Amino acid sequence: GENVEQHPSTLSVQEGDSAVIKCTYSDSASNYFPWYKQELGKGPQLIIDIRSNVGEKKDQRIAVTLNKTAKHFSLHITETQPEDSAVYFCAASETGYSTLTFGKGTMLLVSP
Amino acid sequence: SAVISQKPSRDICQRGTSLTIQCQVDSQVTMMFWYRQQPGQSLTLIATANQGSEATYESGFVIDKFPISRPNLTFSTLTVSNMSPEDSSIYLCSVVSRVRGYTFGSGTRLTVV
Repeated sequence: GENVEQHPSTLSVQEGDSAVIKCTYSDSASNYFPWYKQELGKGPQLIIDIRSNVGEKKDQRIAVTLNKTAKHFSLHITETQPEDSAVYFCAASETGYSTLTFGKGTMLLVSP
Repeated sequence: SAVISQKPSRDICQRGTSLTIQCQVDSQVTMMFWYRQQPGQSLTLIATANQGSEATYESGFVIDKFPISRPNLTFSTLTVSNMSPEDSSIYLCSVVSRVRGYTFGSGTRLTVV
């Protein structure tokens, strides 16, 4: 089955800096890669996703890049703000309608 | 986008008892899933809730421990049976839509004492 590795497990940055979280996956059949933000006491919220026919996708301060050959994808957050502090999960799925396999999560701390 | 209402939001239960968690979606969805998130951990899929038939369980999860019902395309329940402290986790309902992809409910935080 699919295995998703996520690094780092914790990431501390100063407000205004950029943050990068990286994931690798094992199953070459995976084609859908979402990223979730989970705040304390809440369920995960989808913040951005990418499919394998696209190499990069951007939404304001958030971007995701995908290297299908190397089987890795990354989340980039620019101009970080304290409200970006949360746990971020990457995931992989074969179709986007099949089951998701999650990484172990990255706790992002943005200091004012 | 589908709005998911999950109840209860939290509960403290005695070991040996059972708790049923409800997931209500405001629109019909094809795929519904139940996940478990142990304290400080990632999300693990328990099962896919199939409408009108038995749920499909992942390795390590069995129907006797986690019976699931899905009587229609907008509602599902997960029961955690004969609970022990190791069952203390957040249980999350998830649905898939073409527009919003996977969305999650706010979760049920279960503590077993």
